Amino acid sequence: EPEVTQTPSHQVTQMGQEVILRCVPISNHLYFYWYRQILGQKVEFLVSFYNNEISEKSEIFDDQFSVERPDGSNFTLKIRSTKLEDSAMYFCASGQRGGPYNEQFFGPGTRLTVL
Amino acid sequence: SQKIEQNSEALNIQEGKTATLTCNYTNYSPAYLQWYRQDPGRGPVFLLLIRENEKEKRKERLKVTFDTTLKQSLFHITASQPADSATYLCALDDTGRRALTFGSGTRLQVQP
Repeated sequence: EPEVTQTPSHQVTQMGQEVILRCVPISNHLYFYWYRQILGQKVEFLVSFYNNEISEKSEIFDDQFSVERPDGSNFTLKIRSTKLEDSAMYFCASGQRGGPYNEQFFGPGTRLTVL
Repeated sequence: SQKIEQNSEALNIQEGKTATLTCNYTNYSPAYLQWYRQDPGRGPVFLLLIRENEKEKRKERLKVTFDTTLKQSLFHITASQPADSATYLCALDDTGRRALTFGSGTRLQVQP
């Protein structure tokens, strides 16, 4: 069964460094998302992406964050200058159809630890 | 302010019983509500979606109800099994935002 994959599974970085989190969505999906989950807290929406542009973003997704679909398969989240409070699990998700009225398929997550 | 509330306390039930989890929301008018399962250290897994004009939806041992008057969804697992032990998240569409907003989840523990 096709699934969303994410790399790395765990990333440790120093505060102020740039990180890129990578995702390979399910191949025939058109809608892509990033969420984060701080330890013990709820899953929070960051951004949605469709047709090579951002379609929706939350207040968390500030200028430090960017997303890209550099080729036909990868979807990346870049954090330019990490802060301690960026430490969280980051989940990529994809969907065949868009919006909250359709199911989303989540990857296993990347645990980001900022020291 | 907007809130999605799920039982923060873990729900412990015996194998074979029906588990009922609650999702209440305030100051949202969702047209859709979804339920996901999340295991520790893993991503959420989609279970069911229910629309505002549907009162009830079923899938195998799972049943979801959606009461827009009470602003509540109930999630039932019948004939529960230890393998059903996980955290269950409700998520709804944030009006005008086309993005999913999640509740904090309820941890279910099914005892053998």
